[in-house]
Amino acid sequence: EPEVTQTPSHQVTQMGQEVILRCVPISNHLYFYWYRQILGQKVEFLVSFYNNEISEKSEIFDDQFSVERPDGSNFTLKIRSTKLEDSAMYFCASSGLGEKLFFGSGTQLSVL
Amino acid sequence: GENVEQHPSTLSVQEGDSAVIKCTYSDSASNYFPWYKQELGKGPQLIIDIRSNVGEKKDQRIAVTLNKTAKHFSLHITETQPEDSAVYFCAAGSYGGSQGNLIFGKGTKLSVKP
Repeated sequence: EPEVTQTPSHQVTQMGQEVILRCVPISNHLYFYWYRQILGQKVEFLVSFYNNEISEKSEIFDDQFSVERPDGSNFTLKIRSTKLEDSAMYFCASSGLGEKLFFGSGTQLSVL
Repeated sequence: GENVEQHPSTLSVQEGDSAVIKCTYSDSASNYFPWYKQELGKGPQLIIDIRSNVGEKKDQRIAVTLNKTAKHFSLHITETQPEDSAVYFCAAGSYGGSQGNLIFGKGTKLSVKP
């Protein structure tokens, strides 16, 4: 069964550093998303991406965040200058047109 | 904006019993309600979903009911097994095009005791 893959599974960084989280969505999917989950809390929507542009974003997704689809297979989330409160599990997801959302296993980001 | 409330936060049942998890939503424009199961160290996995044009949907031991008037929907798991132990999340969103802007509930940790 096709799946969304995310790398790395764990990322440790120093406050103020830039991080890039990587995702390979399911190959024939058209919509791509990032969500995050702070430990013990609900899964929160960050951003959706379609046709090479952001289609929707939440209040969490401020100027420190950016997304990119640099080639035909990868989808990345960049955090420019990490803060302690950015520590969370970040999930990538993808879907086809009008179809269900499939999540990856996540990247655990720890900002020290 | 949309808000999704989920209860209970923890649920412990004996193997073979039924488990029910309830959610309410605030935005009457929401028309898509998926349920996700999250096991330790993994991403949320879709287990069942329902659109607002139906009131109930079943898939083997799992069923979901939706009451649009009251804006609540529930997950029912019958004949629970230890492997059903996980965190379950309800969510609400809009169907069609992109269904990705889902608003999640806070989750229910289900423990099934053998």
